[in-house]
Amino acid sequence: AQSVTQLDSHVSVSEGTPVLLRCNYSSSYSPSLFWYVQHPNKGLQLLLKYTSAATLVKGINGFEAEFKKSETSFHLTKPSAHMSDAAEYFCVVSDAGNNRKLIWGLGTSLAVNP
Amino acid sequence: DGGITQSPKYLFRKEGQNVTLSCEQNLNHDAMYWYRQDPGQGLRLIYYSQIVNDFQKGDIAEGYSVSREKKESFPLTVTSAQKNPTAFYLCASSRTSDEQYFGPGTRLTVT
Repeated sequence: AQSVTQLDSHVSVSEGTPVLLRCNYSSSYSPSLFWYVQHPNKGLQLLLKYTSAATLVKGINGFEAEFKKSETSFHLTKPSAHMSDAAEYFCVVSDAGNNRKLIWGLGTSLAVNP
Repeated sequence: DGGITQSPKYLFRKEGQNVTLSCEQNLNHDAMYWYRQDPGQGLRLIYYSQIVNDFQKGDIAEGYSVSREKKESFPLTVTSAQKNPTAFYLCASSRTSDEQYFGPGTRLTVT
């Protein structure tokens, strides 16, 4: 069965410093992986996705993620945090063996300090 | 503009009452989904539908019902059988590819 683990439930950074949100997955198939962002009391917005093309995926708002099969990781990074990046971030894997159902991580809350 | 709309944004009901949450999309997507979100638990799938007039139970379907009579619409009914209905409910849709597009959500409070 596929699963996804977000290694930090909460991350705090200073504005202008790098962001690293960690995600590990397990998958029996070649996975599709996603990062979504949710601002308070809002729906979710797709940041980026990996679907077996380039391993370094660039997304919106300056975020990117690197698929590392050997480490089963898909960490989300951004060189310089903005106050507007404060939100909840979800790592998601597509379960190709179960009708492509999405398997969600529990989320990482990112705080950005001035 | 294309997108997914959910209404209302906030909903209050008394315990024992059924309530229906609306979800409409004009993206021409075949698949639609309902999730429940509780603090610290991420998203849990309630029901999903891959085509009109067909739907499947997700991981936590008990106490909920859905219908899919039109491609654009996938309403969710929270019945009185749902033991803990207070939550944030999110609707999503997708084409045949994996990524899902989400509505703004409905926050349901049952007292």
